[in-house]
Amino acid sequence: TQLLEQSPQFLSIQEGENLTVYCNSSSVFSSLQWYRQEPGEGPVLLVTVVTGGEVKKLKRLTFQFGDARKDSSLHITAAQPGDTGLYLCAGSYSGAGSYQLTFGKGTKLSVIP
Amino acid sequence: NAGVTQTPKFQVLKTGQSMTLQCAQDMNHNSMYWYRQDPGMGLRLIYYSASEGTTDKGEVPNGYNVSRLNKREFSLRLESAAPSQTSVYFCASRAGGRSTEAFFGQGTRLTVV
Repeated sequence: TQLLEQSPQFLSIQEGENLTVYCNSSSVFSSLQWYRQEPGEGPVLLVTVVTGGEVKKLKRLTFQFGDARKDSSLHITAAQPGDTGLYLCAGSYSGAGSYQLTFGKGTKLSVIP
Repeated sequence: NAGVTQTPKFQVLKTGQSMTLQCAQDMNHNSMYWYRQDPGMGLRLIYYSASEGTTDKGEVPNGYNVSRLNKREFSLRLESAAPSQTSVYFCASRAGGRSTEAFFGQGTRLTVV
């Protein structure tokens, strides 16, 4: 079983602050995804990264994929209360079990107005 | 657009009872997944089906069985429910490729007493 470590587990910040969430694995990802989950709902995809060193931006969210494809980060600039939610990274690996999608434990973000 | 539909949304079982969670997708996706979500544990993969006619164990398969009935439907069965199986269960589907988006149902909240 591949292990995907996510940190921090909880984050409570004031509106307007910046934050970074991390996702790490001891194995190389073939692709990595970030999802956001609201209470009572299933996760919804934010972004997919597949190339080492890749950077993608989605408005105030910046996603980076490590050069070695073993880690990723999500940076939020000027957080807003609407960013509150559970952020999950999910990785796919090459080889046997490549159709598995493994999730981290998530980062629960609270943005206080 | 229905997407991924799970039934039921809520269920209370007594220890030892059996039940089947139903999942259907209308996106013609090849791969389907069953996850459970517990507080502080993120999403843990129970079983997945890479394509119609195949199923494989995930991280936490014990106490569960699955059936990929056809391309649309993937059911999860608890033969003899235990309190440790109290959780929120999510079904998901993907087109098939490793970098494709996973679409989730709204979840089934199961309590075993």
